[in-house]
Amino acid sequence: DGGITQSPKYLFRKEGQNVTLSCEQNLNHDAMYWYRQDPGQGLRLIYYSQIVNDFQKGDIAEGYSVSREKKESFPLTVTSAQKNPTAFYLCASSIGTATEAFFGQGTRLTVV
Amino acid sequence: KNQVEQSPQSLIILEGKNCTLQCNYTVSPFSNLRWYKQDTGRGPVSLTIMTFSENTKSNGRYTATLDADTKQSSLHITASQLSDSASYICVVSDWSGGSYIPTFGRGTSLIVHP
Repeated sequence: DGGITQSPKYLFRKEGQNVTLSCEQNLNHDAMYWYRQDPGQGLRLIYYSQIVNDFQKGDIAEGYSVSREKKESFPLTVTSAQKNPTAFYLCASSIGTATEAFFGQGTRLTVV
Repeated sequence: KNQVEQSPQSLIILEGKNCTLQCNYTVSPFSNLRWYKQDTGRGPVSLTIMTFSENTKSNGRYTATLDADTKQSSLHITASQLSDSASYICVVSDWSGGSYIPTFGRGTSLIVHP
């Protein structure tokens, strides 16, 4: 069953801790993306990767880091430098950057 | 700066009725426009995608229109069902430096009542 999987669905973090969100796809897509969604706001791009071992900052990359060591995986680390990390995080992938993006089911991160 | 504005912010209709959601954009150069449906707590799912030369595209009870001259799009939902209750997001992409850069609208929250 092809698709894009995010885990965990819910995540709680203490202030000052780093946390890593997982995103895996078996669609053989080259491009992968991380977005942040806050209530009443549109999705905002954090990072994107067009190919393995390469990634670019999006509009709100500060306080986040990513890696793309494998085509299938694009994990996002929310660092302690991110001042307001509580949000809904969405991962997406596409064949290329000009084609339709398929989204995962999201991870809701709450800082406690 | 590229912008995508959606209206109304929220909409409540009765089951079986039709409705139309609006999207205005200032994205340039225009590449494509997509409508997504997002159920609460889930990832968005694509409904339609239109390029510059297309002005209408349908997907079941969903029909999207695009006027590239006025930079407006609409999503018409026919004979609404309870399962149509969701957020509908308009996404407009430009082609910049060899990459497709999407700009997301804030979405229209649709509630369908029985």
